[in-house]
Amino acid sequence: GNSVTQMEGPVTLSEEAFLTINCTYTATGYPSLFWYVQYPGEGLQLLLKATKADDKGSNKGFEATYRKETTSFHLEKGSVQVSDSAVYFCALRGTSGGGADGLTFGKGTHLIIQP
Amino acid sequence: DTAVSQTPKYLVTQMGNDKSIKCEQNLGHDTMYWYKQDSKKFLKIMFSYNNKELIINETVPNRFSPKSPDKAHLNLHINSLELGDSAVYFCASSLQGWAYEQYFGPGTRLTVT
Repeated sequence: GNSVTQMEGPVTLSEEAFLTINCTYTATGYPSLFWYVQYPGEGLQLLLKATKADDKGSNKGFEATYRKETTSFHLEKGSVQVSDSAVYFCALRGTSGGGADGLTFGKGTHLIIQP
Repeated sequence: DTAVSQTPKYLVTQMGNDKSIKCEQNLGHDTMYWYKQDSKKFLKIMFSYNNKELIINETVPNRFSPKSPDKAHLNLHINSLELGDSAVYFCASSLQGWAYEQYFGPGTRLTVT
């Protein structure tokens, strides 16, 4: 079956530091890949996505590249802010459910940015 | 405008009771989902519906019964609640197709005492 592995936190950084959150996946076929962010007490918000190999998703300074050869989708940001503190989820959507597949999530990475 | 809404936001109830959570989306999507997030924040798909038809049922106990009266609504009814059902339940919706992202509701925190 499908699975997603991401580094578990908490990850604590100082403001303006460089961020990398690692994510690797196992899936049959060619899944779509996503990063979602969850702020305290809220639902999940889509941060970025990529639907095929070598695609780069980007949003709000965050980037991730779909690497099929290493089955990875690492999240990066050049300079983090206190407001980026949240839980980040890597997820994939497979192709076996007739287009109605649910997302398979990693366990989430709690990111804490200190001023 | 709210895209995916859920009611109630909080639900506290006793073991053995029956409860329902409602979900509505105004995005024009044809596929809707229920997810469960446990106390460690792990998210797992429970059900998916496409055009009111059940597509995915991920080994969820029979006490959980989803119902989709139309494409914009997907409700979750839970019978004989157990302590282990305590969690945050998220509704989501999307267009049909593996490349489309899913949009999530704000969640319903269920506490069973």
